[in-house]
Amino acid sequence: AQSVTQLGSHVSVSEGALVLLRCNYSSSVPPYLFWYVQYPNQGLQLLLKYTSAATLVKGINGFEAEFKKSETSFHLTKPSAHMSDAAEYFCAVSGNAGNMLTFGGGTRLMVKP
Amino acid sequence: GAVVSQHPSRVICKSGTSVKIECRSLDFQATTMFWYRQFPKQSLMLMATSNEGSKATYEQGVEKDKFLINHASLTLSTLTVTSAHPEDSSFYICSAEGGTLSGYTFGSGTRLTVV
Repeated sequence: AQSVTQLGSHVSVSEGALVLLRCNYSSSVPPYLFWYVQYPNQGLQLLLKYTSAATLVKGINGFEAEFKKSETSFHLTKPSAHMSDAAEYFCAVSGNAGNMLTFGGGTRLMVKP
Repeated sequence: GAVVSQHPSRVICKSGTSVKIECRSLDFQATTMFWYRQFPKQSLMLMATSNEGSKATYEQGVEKDKFLINHASLTLSTLTVTSAHPEDSSFYICSAEGGTLSGYTFGSGTRLTVV
């Protein structure tokens, strides 16, 4: 069984500020972890993924996430927010490539000018 | 990279009619595809897992006879919403596993509105 919890359904930051979106997971097997971004009325776009290689994963658009097994966390960060980062972000876990994804509830990121 | 084409992107249909949504993997073979549904301001919910050449596996609470899934080839899966009702209005997204570093590739989604 696996589950994902995203703390904070809404996060608001100022442009240029640090972005931190929290994700905690549970999985009975070593997890594959993903962060996706969804812009309004669009499908999901992969930001980055962790598949048991380096614990610090760099993704697109300046985002990165760190896998911390001891904390069962996979928080998403970006040093400096841009207005274009405003979107819905989903953390997801799967027990294996090819297995279904379990999604967190999503976090809406708002960026203030 | 891997691309999954999903269409239509938007569809409006009358209550009682059926709507078919197609999901195609354009440059890779997808033995498994997943269909998700997203209600407004909520997360994605897995509806069913579609396997090429076999019956789909539906999640608990999803009506098999209402949401017909066909995965006739390694590049095409379809979801048909039969006898649609306004409560079926939602955003439907497919995804396919394979082909790229991403592991999963998502379609662009279909916004279904039943009037």
